[in-house]
Amino acid sequence: DTGVSQDPRHKITKRGQNVTFRCDPISEHNRLYWYRQTLGQGPEFLTYFQNEAQLEKSRLLSDRFSAERPKGSFSTLEIQRTEQGDSAMYLCASSPQGTGSYTGELFFGEGSRLTVL
Amino acid sequence: SQQGEEDPQALSIQEGENATMNCSYKTSINNLQWYRQNSGRGLVHLILIRSNEREKHSGRLRVTLDTSKKSSSLLITASRAADTASYFCATDGGKAAGNKLTFGGGTRVLVKP
Repeated sequence: DTGVSQDPRHKITKRGQNVTFRCDPISEHNRLYWYRQTLGQGPEFLTYFQNEAQLEKSRLLSDRFSAERPKGSFSTLEIQRTEQGDSAMYLCASSPQGTGSYTGELFFGEGSRLTVL
Repeated sequence: SQQGEEDPQALSIQEGENATMNCSYKTSINNLQWYRQNSGRGLVHLILIRSNEREKHSGRLRVTLDTSKKSSSLLITASRAADTASYFCATDGGKAAGNKLTFGGGTRVLVKP
């Protein structure tokens, strides 16, 4: 069990460019969550998946944001036409929700820090 | 949007002292959790307390929950320099809310050696 893995850890981009982040959850975790965290604030919920189905999206997730989990394993979060306000840490978390090993906690990755110049 | 407020926003103590931080929330919960985050890193789960529990201990951590006041507190006893981090409370609204966690703004704790 290698934990939740996120890539890249850091991304610097120019305004208007597209960026994509990848999250590999703990294997056999059926739930996958994306959060965004700006400096000095707590994480804010963006979206979550149950297997490959995207079950909820926050109003924070504008049309420029899209998330996928095509085979119910890894997930990608794409931001199109980045803006300076998109600069944040993007956190991924997973859990074995609904299984015998579910305890209620989420397992977080180390995050992907985005800086938009 | 964030569920609750944490108090204080920042805390500076000497090694060996206790650190207490509070969390208030707004809606009904299934459970409340506390997480720790070192600078620039991901969040690590510390402890979970269910809505029908009032107090829980784990090592040097003690958590209380008062559902009538919609508040919780985290006490770290005999603090160490390695406890320097941000601490977040998070509420789980239950299955109807997708079991997603809603986080507070955090308390930044500095433990001076």
